[in-house]
Amino acid sequence: NAGVTQTPKFQVLKTGQSMTLQCAQDMNHNSMYWYRQDPGMGLRLIYYSASEGTTDKGEVPNGYNVSRLNKREFSLRLESAAPSQTSVYFCAGLSAGTDTQYFGPGTRLTVL
Amino acid sequence: GESVGLHLPTLSVQEGDNSIINCAYSNSASDYFIWYKQESGKGPQFIIDIRSNMDKRQGQRVTVLLNKTVKHLSLQIAATQPGDSAVYFCADFTGNQFYFGTGTSLTVIP
Repeated sequence: NAGVTQTPKFQVLKTGQSMTLQCAQDMNHNSMYWYRQDPGMGLRLIYYSASEGTTDKGEVPNGYNVSRLNKREFSLRLESAAPSQTSVYFCAGLSAGTDTQYFGPGTRLTVL
Repeated sequence: GESVGLHLPTLSVQEGDNSIINCAYSNSASDYFIWYKQESGKGPQFIIDIRSNMDKRQGQRVTVLLNKTVKHLSLQIAATQPGDSAVYFCADFTGNQFYFGTGTSLTVIP
């Protein structure tokens, strides 16, 4: 039981490059979330998926797209990376019934 | 919009003392609150939660207090240990989203 896993752990991109951050969970969560964490700020929600096949925007969705591929996987895509997207990205799954979120270890992204 | 804030960005305590970390929230309709611990280089980890129909909840060495009148919650850690050094976040769950505070960095002095 790995919980919530994220790949890659670290990534450096040049401005304009694209990439996909992967997230997978084996905890049977219905809801999954993508956050970004910046110094001096709390976690901010980018997108979430309340169930397989649905996605919704969070507080800071601009510049990102998501795909809920199946119940286990929720990916975050940057089509054209910008320096403002330099951040640590966390994926989380929500345990139904308890409302407890479980976070992955994070992806540290630097855009030059 | 929704906002959640922590009162102090940093807190230092002596090992063995009790720690109190405070948090304020803005949405009076929030009905579920959570405290997370985040160690360096790791994702946030659930510590304890409380629903709005309660004003106190205890876990192992941790207690959360909720004051709905002033929209304030606190996390108390008893007999603080070096392993408690981390950043602590409060969050509230409103609608289908979590709203996080900015975090208090707790340092335990041996």
